[in-house]
Amino acid sequence: DTAVSQTPKYLVTQMGNDKSIKCEQNLGHDTMYWYKQDSKKFLKIMFSYNNKELIINETVPNRFSPKSPDKAHLNLHINSLELGDSAVYFCASSQDWALGLGKVSTDTQYFGPGTRLTVL
Amino acid sequence: DQQVKQNSPSLSVQEGRISILNCDYTNSMFDYFLWYKKYPAEGPTFLISISSIKDKNEDGRFTVFLNKSAKHLSLHIVPSQPGDSAVYFCAASVGRDDKIIFGKGTRLHILP
Repeated sequence: DTAVSQTPKYLVTQMGNDKSIKCEQNLGHDTMYWYKQDSKKFLKIMFSYNNKELIINETVPNRFSPKSPDKAHLNLHINSLELGDSAVYFCASSQDWALGLGKVSTDTQYFGPGTRLTVL
Repeated sequence: DQQVKQNSPSLSVQEGRISILNCDYTNSMFDYFLWYKKYPAEGPTFLISISSIKDKNEDGRFTVFLNKSAKHLSLHIVPSQPGDSAVYFCAASVGRDDKIIFGKGTRLHILP
């Protein structure tokens, strides 16, 4: 009963290639995220989608393009891979709800297992 | 199969009191544990960590305790302050592998 799954778990590729990482959640959550982990201590948010719409887009090279075909999926496509793209990428999801006047994210998130990307 | 479990989705604590956030793990190979703090619309930021060779690590108001036999760790915040209101994630990893496994978080509310 995997909640958030990512494929592949490990990806080794040559510089300059184009690759995709897929993420799926079966929790019925409205919001999904992509994070880049540069070290054990540093986890940086890249993108967030709510109901297939982009709501957070941090300063990320435009070689990175998220795609959300439906609210259960958020895929990350990376063009022209560079050595510095080597990292672990985490997908996560959370459930949003509306509280009166505004929407507030629960922020309790389910993380996927991570995809270790190695660019040679 | 959740390897890192945070069984309390939320916790409310009076300002000035001690906040205790708990985390259990199932994989006995984990030897490095981390706590992250997350504000809304931001990514988790690293807070404090502990290696399995220790049973306590302290950094200012934050102390993490590790009980290897019980496969349990906890984060203590003393005294709790309003700015501590956030979601706290427990995470663990094996050896030198950078991949970390996250719990699903506990939302801490500090009450005035």
